[in-house]
Amino acid sequence: TQLLEQSPQFLSIQEGENLTVYCNSSSVFSSLQWYRQEPGEGPVLLVTVVTGGEVKKLKRLTFQFGDARKDSSLHITAAQPGDTGLYLCAGPHSTAGNKLTFGGGTRVLVKP
Amino acid sequence: KAGVTQTPRYLIKTRGQQVTLSCSPISGHRSVSWYQQTPGQGLQFLFEYFSETQRNKGNFPGRFSGRQFSNSRSEMNVSTLELGDSALYLCASSLGSGLGLLAFFGQGTRLTVV
Repeated sequence: TQLLEQSPQFLSIQEGENLTVYCNSSSVFSSLQWYRQEPGEGPVLLVTVVTGGEVKKLKRLTFQFGDARKDSSLHITAAQPGDTGLYLCAGPHSTAGNKLTFGGGTRVLVKP
Repeated sequence: KAGVTQTPRYLIKTRGQQVTLSCSPISGHRSVSWYQQTPGQGLQFLFEYFSETQRNKGNFPGRFSGRQFSNSRSEMNVSTLELGDSALYLCASSLGSGLGLLAFFGQGTRLTVV
């Protein structure tokens, strides 16, 4: 069974601070996706990382895929209240690509 | 390009009843997957349909079923509702071929069973 563990479960920071969310597994994933979800809404895709060691930047968000493709991180620089939400990592099943395994999520609260 | 549309957004049902949820995928997407999201279990995969055929299935009881129509729209049905079925049900669409394709989610249907 492929599992994804996210840490921390909850982060509360002040506007302007930096934060990092981690997504770890003992299994190799062909790719990992990061989503942000706001209350009562569906997850919104932020990025997908495919190559081991890959780094992708989306404005103040930096995503990294581990060299062994077993872990990923999301770093937010100078967080803003609009970054508040539930951040989810997800990876495709090894033999059923459209079956996504999700991490438990990291709830981020950025206070003004 | 319209996104994934789920209807209805909210539902309240009584234990023992059945419910049908609908999902219209992004135009051109042939794969529709369903997920259940609860505070305790997070997002869990229910099943995936591709070209009107169930291609993958999660570990849910037979009370949960689905289907896909020729226009790729999908429905999921839950029979004999239990209190524990209260959740946000999410539908995701993707192109559906190959591994690791991007999944785009709808806003979800919030089901409350009383």
